[in-house]
Amino acid sequence: QKEVEQNSGPLSVPEGAIASLNCTYSDRGSQSFFWYRQYSGKSPELIMSIYSNGDKEDGRFTAQLNKASQYVSLLIRDSQPSDSATYLCAVNPNQLTFGTGTRLQVTL
Amino acid sequence: DGGITQSPKYLFRKEGQNVTLSCEQNLNHDAMYWYRQDPGQGLRLIYYSQIVNDFQKGDIAEGYSVSREKKESFPLTVTSAQKNPTAFYLCASSISPGQWEKLFFGSGTQLSVL
Repeated sequence: QKEVEQNSGPLSVPEGAIASLNCTYSDRGSQSFFWYRQYSGKSPELIMSIYSNGDKEDGRFTAQLNKASQYVSLLIRDSQPSDSATYLCAVNPNQLTFGTGTRLQVTL
Repeated sequence: DGGITQSPKYLFRKEGQNVTLSCEQNLNHDAMYWYRQDPGQGLRLIYYSQIVNDFQKGDIAEGYSVSREKKESFPLTVTSAQKNPTAFYLCASSISPGQWEKLFFGSGTQLSVL
């Protein structure tokens, strides 16, 4: 069983719509949860972190954490073509463990 | 400007050859990390170092070696024992071990086999 699982996509959403990205993890001891955005050939960029159950909002981004169900999600409101990238979920039970990423395509 | 510098950006390895990827940081960070990323995959930890002159194996250390003789430098050697070295290699650092929210990445090195 993979420690951090994400749907590889691509997830295609029209411009202006809400993109919903999901991630599940296996280690119940995980305390820290992160979402990174990675453009092709570039290094990952941290866009959201969340540590407690519930929602955390930052601009157009909302991270949602449910520890009982062991999932964390990222919502992107008013999706823009510049949001087209791969989104990596990372979880910290000990070292940072990354999912395989979900490729998001925002279409015009 | 402070940051992490990886070089070279592209590297080619011949059969049986060892190659070394450079990673230098001027952030005064104690912890440094090497990750490998294959196409369509997430990052996997190769080695990490929490302090100078100390380093630990990550999940996929076989076929790789590192050194941490200076705080600012953490080079990665891909040895001939690594049979499938083609990947994107990322170096990262944090001010102290486990400070994941302040993890800084270099721009990466793409390694290919000739």
